[in-house]
Amino acid sequence: DVKVTQSSRYLVKRTGEKVFLECVQDMDHENMFWYRQDPGLGLRLIYFSYDVKMKEKGDIPEGYSVSREKKERFSLILESASTNQTSMYLCASSLISGLYEQYFGPGTRLTVT
Amino acid sequence: GDSVTQMEGPVTLSEEAFLTINCTYTATGYPSLFWYVQYPGEGLQLLLKATKADDKGSNKGFEATYRKETTSFHLEKGSVQVSDSAVYFCALIHTGNQFYFGTGTSLTVIP
Repeated sequence: DVKVTQSSRYLVKRTGEKVFLECVQDMDHENMFWYRQDPGLGLRLIYFSYDVKMKEKGDIPEGYSVSREKKERFSLILESASTNQTSMYLCASSLISGLYEQYFGPGTRLTVT
Repeated sequence: GDSVTQMEGPVTLSEEAFLTINCTYTATGYPSLFWYVQYPGEGLQLLLKATKADDKGSNKGFEATYRKETTSFHLEKGSVQVSDSAVYFCALIHTGNQFYFGTGTSLTVIP
């Protein structure tokens, strides 16, 4: 079974803190994705990566950055957390070729106070 | 551009009722279509998929048929259970690596 794990299920941070969200997948997938999920807005893509050290902006990259130093690990970074970044963050991975499904982690619920 | 539209929720049904959640899409060509389910406090899980027109995806009693002529992929289940209470997302992937998700439909099944 494909497994996607996220470093924390719940996280509380203060405004202005630097926040790291980690995601690891164990199926050698090339693609990895970060989404945020908010009520009434569904899933919105923040960034994705199709290879080590490669990244592409999604629909809402402002205020976020990412890092992919190893194939299995994809990190989302909030350089200076703000209250409007309080959300559920979901990581996903998939194979690069063909129209394959994405596999999701359990999510990290981040609260910025 | 590509997009997915699914019916607004929330939906509340009694146990053993029939479920339909509508999903329509906009895309050129032939995308692959998916239904994901999210149980409370968890990430999304793939429920079923269809990769070409007239394909029927099915899993756990849920079904959806890829209708090219109506650009639809409606989710159905003949008899829902309390354990089906969750949020359901319709999604597509077309060219490139990006998925497009609907906004989700919350289902509550009452005994």
